[in-house]
Amino acid sequence: SYVLTQSPSVSVAPGQTARITCGGDNIAMKTVHWYQQKPGQAPVLVVYDDRNRPSGIPDRFSGSNSGNTATLTISRVEAGDEADYYCQVWDSTSDQGVFGTGTMVSLL
Amino acid sequence: EVQLVQSGAEVREPGESLKISCKTSRYSFNSYWIGWVRQKPGKGLEWMGIIYPDDSDTRYSPSLQGQVTISADKSISTAYLQWGSLQASDTAMYYCARLRGSYPVSAFEIWGQGTMVTVSS
Repeated sequence: SYVLTQSPSVSVAPGQTARITCGGDNIAMKTVHWYQQKPGQAPVLVVYDDRNRPSGIPDRFSGSNSGNTATLTISRVEAGDEADYYCQVWDSTSDQGVFGTGTMVSLL
Repeated sequence: EVQLVQSGAEVREPGESLKISCKTSRYSFNSYWIGWVRQKPGKGLEWMGIIYPDDSDTRYSPSLQGQVTISADKSISTAYLQWGSLQASDTAMYYCARLRGSYPVSAFEIWGQGTMVTVSS
């Protein structure tokens, strides 16, 4: 089945930019979604269809998808952005959804 | 506001059966895929499966097919996840979530609060 690989953790200083990557074979041909999960809470959708933001999500969150890597970028990182982030795609070959391994974002 | 409200925490012994629910409101239940996501303690999210209530078209993770059953009752706008015989390895938080669109490729847009299932003797 299709595999999505994320770095386990990213550390960033407040006000700086965090980039979270999601690697997959020719992932540019798939539609990528990103979720934020804080401890003890349900996940929240932050980017859908590679680069679109649901209502209520700040424009500091943006997404891109090219080649073998999709990227979630968080600009001007705030303390409230500390969370786990997961990418997700639909794999039409195996007819199932797939989540990435998750990346924990922490502030320096 | 669209809502997904899940049933409460459950504790079962190995070998027992269980059915948990996800009651939805304020949208057309028949017209959106709804699915289940597992999260074992301290681990990441795992896609389990989805169902389209209108025609009960269901897709499962191959690793879980045969271990769980996903169903939906259109008359009460509720989705279900059930086990015939629980194992200790089924201990996890289970989330239901509605997809954003009418295709499986869509994102999980709205999430329930989660149901903790503990399987222990």
